[in-house]
Amino acid sequence: NAGVTQTPKFRILKIGQSMTLQCTQDMNHNYMYWYRQDPGMGLKLIYYSVGAGITDKGEVPNGYNVSRSTTEDFPLRLELAAPSQTSVYFCASSYDRAFFGQGTRLTVV
Amino acid sequence: KQEVTQIPAALSVPEGENLVLNCSFTDSAIYNLQWFRQDPGKGLTSLLLIQSSQREQTSGRLNASLDKSSGRSTLYIAASQPGDSATYLCAVSYSGAGSYQLTFGKGTKLSVIP
Repeated sequence: NAGVTQTPKFRILKIGQSMTLQCTQDMNHNYMYWYRQDPGMGLKLIYYSVGAGITDKGEVPNGYNVSRSTTEDFPLRLELAAPSQTSVYFCASSYDRAFFGQGTRLTVV
Repeated sequence: KQEVTQIPAALSVPEGENLVLNCSFTDSAIYNLQWFRQDPGKGLTSLLLIQSSQREQTSGRLNASLDKSSGRSTLYIAASQPGDSATYLCAVSYSGAGSYQLTFGKGTKLSVIP
C-alpha cells in the first residue's frame, strides 16, 4: 500500500518555465489537497478537490492550476514559474485522517 | 476564516520529561482535529485524530484532548525520548464553502535532549 506518491522529489526551474507536480493516491480517498510549506509560514492550501471533476481554490491559488480527472490523480501545474514559487509542495488525501506525500522541493532561479 | 495557533513555537526538554503542546482555533464548528509529526525534510505523519464529538484520543505515550467550546486542543507526550524530536503540527478540518478544508498551525519544534 503506497499511500500518497509525489513526483519529482526535487526540481530546479528557471523563471518563466512550466512544470507539473504529480500526485497519486491508492486509498480511494475523495478529498485531495495541495499545500506549500515555507519556513516560518506553516502550510498554506493551494487547491483542493472533493472528488473527480471537482476542484476549488484554497488560500494561495495564484500561479497554479489543478485538474482531477480520476479519483487517484491530482496534478498541480505551475505556469510561468516565479521565484516566489520556490517552496516545498505537499500533496495529501483524506477520508478522515489525512495522508501526505513526501513532498517536492522546488527552486525557481 | 479559520485560524490555528500553536504555542510554543519551539520547546526543548530533557529526556524523560512529560510535556504538553498547545493548539487553539478560532472557529469551533470543526469536523475533526488532527495532530501530525514532521521530521526534517520529510512529509507529515498523522499521529492522532479526534472527531468533533470526542474529548480525547490516546496512542501509546501520546494523548490528545479536544475542548471544542473553548477552541483548544493539547497533545501530551509522556516520558519523552530523543526520537520524539520533530515538529508537531495541529490541523482542523472544518466546513468551508460547502466542503471540508484542512487548516494547519505553524507547528511546535520539539527537541528532547539526551
